[in-house]
Amino acid sequence: QVQLQESGPGLVKPSETLSLTCTVSGGSVSSGSYYWSWIRQPPGKGLEWIGYIYYSGSTNYNPSLKSRVTISVDTSKNQFSLKLISVTAADTALYYCARDFGASSWFDPWGQGTLVTVSS
Amino acid sequence: QSVLTQPPSASGTPGQRVTISCSGSSSNIGSNYVYWYQQLPGTAPKLLIYRNSQRPSGVPDRFSGSKSGTSASLAISGLRSEDEADYYCAAWDDSLSGRGVFGTGTKVTVL
Repeated sequence: QVQLQESGPGLVKPSETLSLTCTVSGGSVSSGSYYWSWIRQPPGKGLEWIGYIYYSGSTNYNPSLKSRVTISVDTSKNQFSLKLISVTAADTALYYCARDFGASSWFDPWGQGTLVTVSS
Repeated sequence: QSVLTQPPSASGTPGQRVTISCSGSSSNIGSNYVYWYQQLPGTAPKLLIYRNSQRPSGVPDRFSGSKSGTSASLAISGLRSEDEADYYCAAWDDSLSGRGVFGTGTKVTVL
């Protein structure tokens, strides 16, 4: 079955760029049936959808983060990635990647999540 | 930030029925499907209910979902200790350019 695994630095300095990658196994990011999303969860708080990408490169971002977010896909590596610029302590969170059934909030499965702390 | 409203907590004794509400608006629940996620302590969320009331393979039929107007509900019948978790509703919101939105989350405690 499809599995997703996040990877990237666990510590980022304020004002710098957060970069994470999600590696998909057991399935293909090139499948035209799915989108691929990033979701985050600050410690002890709720879930926030960041955005999604389609294999063609088409994206949709949460308006609250749109000015700072870029999601990209690398079909040759079966990966998709997240970049968040100008981070602050408010961006400290568990970051999850998930398979997305497209403009629905239907996420299944999810990766295990990776904690990113923004601190100097 | 959360657009969908849930009660912060719910509880019950083993075997009881617990219901969690999720309140939204015409731009999200009122016009789109609702999804429910279960997050056990220290783990990633897991899909529990899709398209308002459908259960993925492997999810016990103790879990059921419903939707009416701009609100939705998740019911857990025959409550078990392993159901102690955080539960989130989610839906697509058609406002602005469209975005995924989650509920505020409900912590279910088994007494």
